[in-house]
Amino acid sequence: EIVLTQSPGTLSLSPGERATLSCRASQSVSSSYLAWYQQKPGQAPRLLIYGASSRATGIPDRFSGSGSGTDFTLTISRLEPEDFAVYYCQQYGSSLFTFGPGTKVNIK
Amino acid sequence: QLQLQESGPGLVKPSETLSLTCTVSGGSISSSNYYWGWIRQPPGKGLEWIGSIYYSGSTYYNPSLTSRVTISVDTSKNQFSLKLTSVTAADTAVYYCARIWRSSGLALDYWGQGTLVTVSS
Repeated sequence: EIVLTQSPGTLSLSPGERATLSCRASQSVSSSYLAWYQQKPGQAPRLLIYGASSRATGIPDRFSGSGSGTDFTLTISRLEPEDFAVYYCQQYGSSLFTFGPGTKVNIK
Repeated sequence: QLQLQESGPGLVKPSETLSLTCTVSGGSISSSNYYWGWIRQPPGKGLEWIGSIYYSGSTYYNPSLTSRVTISVDTSKNQFSLKLTSVTAADTAVYYCARIWRSSGLALDYWGQGTLVTVSS
């Protein structure tokens, strides 16, 4: 089973700043099968990025994904007030889905 | 617009069976482009994939739950269901159903709002 680790656990930033979130896999992941989600309190997760770098429908272009192999990154170029949330990476491999533990982006 | 809605008891006794149904509206569960899945989230914790199903009935389960989980599909009702047996307090969680888009590398592109299931006597 592929284990995903996300860092940092918490990121404290101000609106307008750039956020860089990391997702590291215990073994190589196909970029096609790496996704990122945003979750706000009391809400279901929302798909942001699929295939490591493709934005889902309706997702603003301030969100971007990159990476390959075992290291993937979600970047929010300029934080808007509505971007403060928890972000999860997720991979599919060997008929299994696994999620990372999440990174919480806090208002500084 | 596709919508998914979970339904089922919010309280289940220890050792009993948790049963939930996800009703899909605004789209067909029989589309070859999608799988359908269940994911749960214990209070204050992260996301755990429970299992997935294709409209044909093919299923895939989390190895940590496979002995207790059954996922089924009813294409005539546009629904899929989850059964989790022998529940304990550790199964207390918000349970989500979701659509899994085959063309997106199996990303979960639509989610239900989630339903809290508490295991308690």
